[in-house]
Amino acid sequence: EPEVTQTPSHQVTQMGQEVILRCVPISNHLYFYWYRQILGQKVEFLVSFYNNEISEKSEIFDDQFSVERPDGSNFTLKIRSTKLEDSAMYFCASSLRRNNQETQYFGPGTRLLVL
Amino acid sequence: GENVEQHPSTLSVQEGDSAVIKCTYSDSASNYFPWYKQELGKGPQLIIDIRSNVGEKKDQRIAVTLNKTAKHFSLHITETQPEDSAVYFCAASILAYSGGGADGLTFGKGTHLIIQP
Repeated sequence: EPEVTQTPSHQVTQMGQEVILRCVPISNHLYFYWYRQILGQKVEFLVSFYNNEISEKSEIFDDQFSVERPDGSNFTLKIRSTKLEDSAMYFCASSLRRNNQETQYFGPGTRLLVL
Repeated sequence: GENVEQHPSTLSVQEGDSAVIKCTYSDSASNYFPWYKQELGKGPQLIIDIRSNVGEKKDQRIAVTLNKTAKHFSLHITETQPEDSAVYFCAASILAYSGGGADGLTFGKGTHLIIQP
């Protein structure tokens, strides 16, 4: 069964450094998402992406964040200058959104720790 | 924006009994309500979803009910088994069927379901 993959599984970085989290969505999907989950808390929506542009973003997704689909398979989340409070699990998701296929399939996540 | 409340935060039931988790939402425009199961160290996995044009949906031991008037929806798991132990999240979103857009899910805070053997 096709699945969303994410790399790396874990990332440790120093405050102020840039990080890039990578995702490979399911191949025929058209809609892409990033979510984060701070330890012990709920999953929070960051941004959605469709047709090579941001479709929707939350208040969390400020100027420090950016997303890109550099080629036909990867979908990346960049944090320009990490802060301690960026430490969280980051999930990528994708969906097809055709023929009533709305399900968002989540990847296994990248655990980001900012020191 | 949308706000989803979920109760209880922890639910412990005996194996074989039923479990019910309840959620309410605030935005009457929300029309899509998925439930996700998250096991330790893994991403959320969809277990069942419901759209606002139906009131109930069932898939084997799992069912979801939706009350649009009251803006609440519930997950029902019958004949619980040890492998049902996990954190369950409800979510809500607005699907734009006219095309375009990619709507993010608003999640509840999660319910830690513990199945006692």
